[in-house]
Amino acid sequence: DGGITQSPKYLFRKEGQNVTLSCEQNLNHDAMYWYRQDPGQGLRLIYYSQIVNDFQKGDIAEGYSVSREKKESFPLTVTSAQKNPTAFYLCASKRDTRIGEQYFGPGTRLTVT
Amino acid sequence: GENVEQHPSTLSVQEGDSAVIKCTYSDSASNYFPWYKQELGKRPQLIIDIRSNVGEKKDQRIAVTLNKTAKHFSLHITETQPEDSAVYFCAASDNDMRFGAGTRLTVKP
Repeated sequence: DGGITQSPKYLFRKEGQNVTLSCEQNLNHDAMYWYRQDPGQGLRLIYYSQIVNDFQKGDIAEGYSVSREKKESFPLTVTSAQKNPTAFYLCASKRDTRIGEQYFGPGTRLTVT
Repeated sequence: GENVEQHPSTLSVQEGDSAVIKCTYSDSASNYFPWYKQELGKRPQLIIDIRSNVGEKKDQRIAVTLNKTAKHFSLHITETQPEDSAVYFCAASDNDMRFGAGTRLTVKP
């Protein structure tokens, strides 16, 4: 399944708490992405990173933060500032910045109550 | 930035019939157009892709066509089977990839 993992599969948090979602890949890919998936809205880009120690905001970055300290890891923090954090979060990676297939992780379903 | 629209949002066909899903994009710089299939509770997986220098590509029962002038591309599935039931996403990419909202395809046996 491509060597990209996300943990945990299900995550439950109380409103007001920050939570960090893990994404790891052993594909030696340069580029990594975080998407949020809501019913009927497809995949919306939160943040992406094309190289270690660098990342850019996507279309819906507000309330989220990321880091890229290692090539294989791209954790996403959902902060208390995110108004509607309950969603399915997908991480993806791509070999480099040229066009090509993105490989997806299995996803984390976050529920905030 | 890129905006991708996908139609229809739901599609129901009888087993053996063909299914067609259409997408339009806004950024003329986009040059890579993948299609992903996502089964319930699973990760999206690439089923076919096309680059802007090609008008059509086929892989067994799946084909994709691209009209760069009109900025639209389509997925065609022939001889549909119940296991084709899933959500299908189109995407358009120059550097960043943007996805359509998805089409839920149901193939009735």
